[in-house]
Amino acid sequence: GGIITQTPKFLIGQEGQKLTLKCQQNFNHDTMYWYRQDSGKGLRLIYYSITENDLQKGDLSEGYDASREKKSSFSLTVTSAQKNEMAVFLCASSMPGRSSYEQYFGPGTRLTVL
Amino acid sequence: QQKVQQSPESLTVSEGAMASLNCTFSDGTSDNFRWYRQHSGKGLEMLVSIFSDGEKEEGRFTAHLNRASLHVSLHIREPQPSDSAVYLCAVRNMGYKLTFGTGTSLLVDP
Repeated sequence: GGIITQTPKFLIGQEGQKLTLKCQQNFNHDTMYWYRQDSGKGLRLIYYSITENDLQKGDLSEGYDASREKKSSFSLTVTSAQKNEMAVFLCASSMPGRSSYEQYFGPGTRLTVL
Repeated sequence: QQKVQQSPESLTVSEGAMASLNCTFSDGTSDNFRWYRQHSGKGLEMLVSIFSDGEKEEGRFTAHLNRASLHVSLHIREPQPSDSAVYLCAVRNMGYKLTFGTGTSLLVDP
């Protein structure tokens, strides 16, 4: 088995601040994802990386940057935090293949912007 | 663009009674439909992944897919209080992308 670790678990920022969230996986998966989860809106894909050194925009990439430093890690940066923003950011990883597109999720980082 | 809707928004059932959750989607050409569970403060756990019309069972969880009706359901047999969680439906599009519904919050009363 493997695990996905997200740090920090809770993140409190100020309006306009640049904030970085980190994700590590030890599944040896090629593909990693960042999702944003808002109450009442489900999960929305921000960025994903098919393999190391790849970066693809999702449906909600504006206001974010991402970086795939190595196969096991994928970071997300909120470029300018918005006042009163509250959301959970979930990282996931998967291995390509028809039956193996299962995405394994981390526990999330909860963001609050004051 | 794929749209996924879930109903009901919340559901309370008694321990041992069948729980049924619904999900409708707008594009039936997607090749994979999934149900995830999310306990409070935790990540997502995949319960069932279904590719073809019909039924797929994984333990106490059974998914029914009907592409013509743009509908996939999840039935939980003999639910327990530990099954209390948010259940999310997801539809796979174009390989890597999943579109999620907004979730059904299930409460199982002991």
